[in-house]
Amino acid sequence: DAGVIQSPRHEVTEMGQEVTLRCKPISGHNSLFWYRQTMMRGLELLIYFNNNVPIDDSGMPEDRFSAKMPNASFSTLKIQPSEPRDSAVYFCASSRGHPNTGELFFGEGSRLTVL
Amino acid sequence: ILNVEQSPQSLHVQEGDSTNFTCSFPSSNFYALHWYRWETAKSPEALFVMTLNGDEKKKGRISATLNTKEGYSYLYIKGSQPEDSATYLCAFIFNKFYFGSGTKLNVKP
Repeated sequence: DAGVIQSPRHEVTEMGQEVTLRCKPISGHNSLFWYRQTMMRGLELLIYFNNNVPIDDSGMPEDRFSAKMPNASFSTLKIQPSEPRDSAVYFCASSRGHPNTGELFFGEGSRLTVL
Repeated sequence: ILNVEQSPQSLHVQEGDSTNFTCSFPSSNFYALHWYRWETAKSPEALFVMTLNGDEKKKGRISATLNTKEGYSYLYIKGSQPEDSATYLCAFIFNKFYFGSGTKLNVKP
């Protein structure tokens, strides 16, 4: 079975550019999470969806960040405009059942570098 | 913001040593606790999902215990091997996942 698929794996961009990260959850999973990993803060939850509906976006840093889940098999995380402090590894994870019970299955991450 | 603390931050052991680390979390409003193993340049993988006070789970040489009344969980590795080298994360689940900062284990051959 395919796991959680993220793209791109690596992105290098210049400050001010728009960045779009993509995630395909595991088929049949109904919860999807976006996390950011930094040296200073470890794994931070940005937003999560249940049945395609955003449930908690309190971790989204600011208005420059937005996330969508138009259907059960696709989600995007967009940063516009990007800033150097957004440089991090962004992980997508999915789970089955209630969003706060099932184990998380993580993608391999998208490493973002903003120059 | 809920505080989930893991100790130690890092650990260096010799191959064959047994080791353990701790995850501390708020003892009120417990819902579940997860342990994840995170190898360098990979993504975290679930080891255990624990929900009941007194739970003990085992997977090969790795086991975990849970005490929800006092707010801690231990992860044990018996006879560490170099391939056990990874960061071990715990996540306390209340209304969402709260991850600790992890214990980085290095097992020297």
